[in-house]
Amino acid sequence: SQKIEQNSEALNIQEGKTATLTCNYTNYSPAYLQWYRQDPGRGPVFLLLIRENEKEKRKERLKVTFDTTLKQSLFHITASQPADSATYLCALDIFPVGLTFGKGTHLIIQP
Amino acid sequence: SAVISQKPSRDICQRGTSLTIQCQVDSQVTMMFWYRQQPGQSLTLIATANQGSEATYESGFVIDKFPISRPNLTFSTLTVSNMSPEDSSIYLCSVGGLGDAEAFFGQGTRLTVV
Repeated sequence: SQKIEQNSEALNIQEGKTATLTCNYTNYSPAYLQWYRQDPGRGPVFLLLIRENEKEKRKERLKVTFDTTLKQSLFHITASQPADSATYLCALDIFPVGLTFGKGTHLIIQP
Repeated sequence: SAVISQKPSRDICQRGTSLTIQCQVDSQVTMMFWYRQQPGQSLTLIATANQGSEATYESGFVIDKFPISRPNLTFSTLTVSNMSPEDSSIYLCSVGGLGDAEAFFGQGTRLTVV
């Protein structure tokens, strides 16, 4: 079955640096891969979607890449700020289950 | 986009009792999804609720334990029945997320069973 792997250890980054989070998956490549942000006590909030035929997608300080050969997506936050501290989840639409999430990576941006 | 109101936001319940969680969407949707997020874990899909039909449950979840209602296209409830401490989790309802559509979530219900 399809597995989604994110580094569940906390990632500590100095403010102003680029944070890079990894999402690896097994088996077949999905048509779409999504990234979400989750703050404590809140539901996940959608950030970006990338399609299998797209190598890269950007939105403001966010950038997502999708490498179907490596079966990996990278999520970058440039010029990171303490307000970017949160848990970031990647998710795949896996037939027939539907949207399936990784465990998430807890990102801490230190001033 | 969709705005989802979920309540209660949190509750502390005695073991053996039941809790019903409500989810209201500001637009009509065909499918609503219920997830569980245990401490330190990812979101796990419990079931998909379609209006006018029985909910579809994922492996490991059964209707007797997690009955779901879907009376119309904007509302759903999830009941956690005969609760035990192992049911302590965050429960989330969601819409969207299939194909190239983003998913929208309620703020979640933090359930503690004592």
